[in-house]
Amino acid sequence: KQEVTQIPAALSVPEGENLVLNCSFTDSAIYNLQWFRQDPGKGLTSLLLIQSSQREQTSGRLNASLDKSSGRSTLYIAASQPGDSATYLCAVRGGANSKLTFGKGITLSVRP
Amino acid sequence: GAGVSQSPSNKVTEKGKDVELRCDPISGHTALYWYRQRLGQGLEFLIYFQGNSAPDKSGLPSDRFSAERTGESVSTLTIQRTQQEDSAVYLCASSLRLRGVGSEAFFGQGTRLTVV
Repeated sequence: KQEVTQIPAALSVPEGENLVLNCSFTDSAIYNLQWFRQDPGKGLTSLLLIQSSQREQTSGRLNASLDKSSGRSTLYIAASQPGDSATYLCAVRGGANSKLTFGKGITLSVRP
Repeated sequence: GAGVSQSPSNKVTEKGKDVELRCDPISGHTALYWYRQRLGQGLEFLIYFQGNSAPDKSGLPSDRFSAERTGESVSTLTIQRTQQEDSAVYLCASSLRLRGVGSEAFFGQGTRLTVV
């Protein structure tokens, strides 16, 4: 059974800092991995999708990497801003016809 | 539509009543997912549709929960004889499965269900 872990559960940083959010998964046989953002009381917004054959994806100030063999992904946020404050979730898909398994998320607070 | 649409956005119901939650996926998306998120908790998988069939419904918590999808489009999640423990945000997502490539999943804003 696939398990996804995100540690720490919460993180507080000053504005402008570069930061890394970690995600680990127990079964390396994944199809793809997706990072989401969730604002309080809202749905999930997709940030980045990494296919199993890829090592990283970039979008603006965000960069996500994937190391399947070690069961890890990281989301790098450059020059953090207060508007980046949210909960960040990673999710893995085990196969083309399978569900997304989510971690519990990391709640990020960026202090002005 | 432009995104995944869920209705209603909020639903308050009395314990023991039945409720129906609706999800309209992005047009053309073949895969559809339902998740539940209790207050302060992570996302709990309920059911996954590919087209109109559900190859994985392992997350439905009891026989009070059922879901269907028609026309490879709209899906309805039905909860019978609601209990207070069913109070949560119910989230729907859809994705387009491209040949050989898994595509992004997009989520709706959710239905907040409160059972009183």
